[in-house]
Amino acid sequence: SYDLTQPPSVSVSPRQTATITCSGDNLGRKFVYWYQQKPGQSPVMVIWQDSRRPSGIPDRFSGSNSGNTATLTIIGTQPTDEADYYCQAWDTTVVFGGGTKLTVL
Amino acid sequence: QVQLVQSGAEVKKPGASVKVSCKASGYTFRNYGFTWVRQAPGQGLQWLGWISVYYGNSKYADQFQGRVSMTTDTSTNTAYMELRNLRSDDTAIYYCARSGYSSTWYEMGFDFWGQGTLVTVSS
Repeated sequence: SYDLTQPPSVSVSPRQTATITCSGDNLGRKFVYWYQQKPGQSPVMVIWQDSRRPSGIPDRFSGSNSGNTATLTIIGTQPTDEADYYCQAWDTTVVFGGGTKLTVL
Repeated sequence: QVQLVQSGAEVKKPGASVKVSCKASGYTFRNYGFTWVRQAPGQGLQWLGWISVYYGNSKYADQFQGRVSMTTDTSTNTAYMELRNLRSDDTAIYYCARSGYSSTWYEMGFDFWGQGTLVTVSS
């Protein structure tokens, strides 16, 4: 089975840049999606097809994917960005990463 | 605006079945499909499967094959997910999410999600 690996936690200071990685074998050959989930809420897609931003998602969110690693970058992180972030890809089945808890402190 | 409204919380005994509904509005129901994802308490996201409204075909995750069924009702714009032979480790929040309807249904991601349905399995 295909696995996606994320760091369990990432910390960032307000207004700084947060970087969350997602690793998988030849991940750069697949589309990667990123979902934000705040406590008690449903997930929200923040990046699709590696780097595309859905309508309504702030432009401080960006994504990239190359080699074995996809990256979600948040420039000028806000306290409201504190959440769990999940990467997701397709490899004959839908695969989610284990999630990364982003703390803004 | 797109909305997916799920049915309410359920409490079931081991061995029973549960059927969760997901009523869609704000878009053309037949032009999309539905993915179902669950999240056990304090855990990450787990994909259960997908169904195309347009074609009626489905794909289930291997670990749920034989235990899960997904259907849609175009007369009420509602999708359903039934999970049978429930176990305690099926306790989770179950989400429906909109996705594509064709052979590349997964390429659009899951752009709108329901509010989730808590299913508790306990004797």
